[in-house]
Amino acid sequence: AQSVTQLGSHVSVSEGALVLLRCNYSSSVPPYLFWYVQYPNQGLQLLLKYTTGATLVKGINGFEAEFKKSETSFHLTKPSAHMSDAAEYFCAVSEVDFGNEKLTFGTGTRLTIIP
Amino acid sequence: DTAVSQTPKYLVTQMGNDKSIKCEQNLGHDTMYWYKQDSKKFLKIMFSYNNKELIINETVPNRFSPKSPDKAHLNLHINSLELGDSAVYFCASSQGQGRQPQHFGDGTRLSIL
Repeated sequence: AQSVTQLGSHVSVSEGALVLLRCNYSSSVPPYLFWYVQYPNQGLQLLLKYTTGATLVKGINGFEAEFKKSETSFHLTKPSAHMSDAAEYFCAVSEVDFGNEKLTFGTGTRLTIIP
Repeated sequence: DTAVSQTPKYLVTQMGNDKSIKCEQNLGHDTMYWYKQDSKKFLKIMFSYNNKELIINETVPNRFSPKSPDKAHLNLHINSLELGDSAVYFCASSQGQGRQPQHFGDGTRLSIL
């Protein structure tokens, strides 16, 4: 079974600083990887996804992630944090379960922005 | 014009009761999901329907029964509610299965007294 591990359940950065949220995956087949964001009292919203092709993926709100097969990683970055980035971030991998596809989520990382 | 809407937003009830949560999507998607998010924010899939057919049924107590009357609707009925059922339940939809982007509702916060 495929899985994702998010290192750091809480990350705090200063406004304007680099955001780095870590995600490592395990998969026996080429993975489809996703980052979702959850703002308080809301559902999840897709930030970006990697399927095939270019390993550097750009998403919404200035976020990007790089797929590194050799490191089995898909870390999320943003050059300059904004107060509005405070939220819970989830990494996810798509896996096949008895012929059907499903998303398996990591445990989430809460991002706090310090003014 | 909410894409994925769930009702109710909050549900407070007592142990042993039966309750339902409704979900509707207006995106024209063919696949819908129910997820459970616990108090530690861990998100786990419960069920998935594709064109009204149940395709994923995780290890969920049979007190939980999903029903999809058409592609745009997926409801969740829960019998004999237990304290451990307290969580936020999210409905989601996508065009195609798991590797496609999923659109989530805002969740139903279920609290069991």
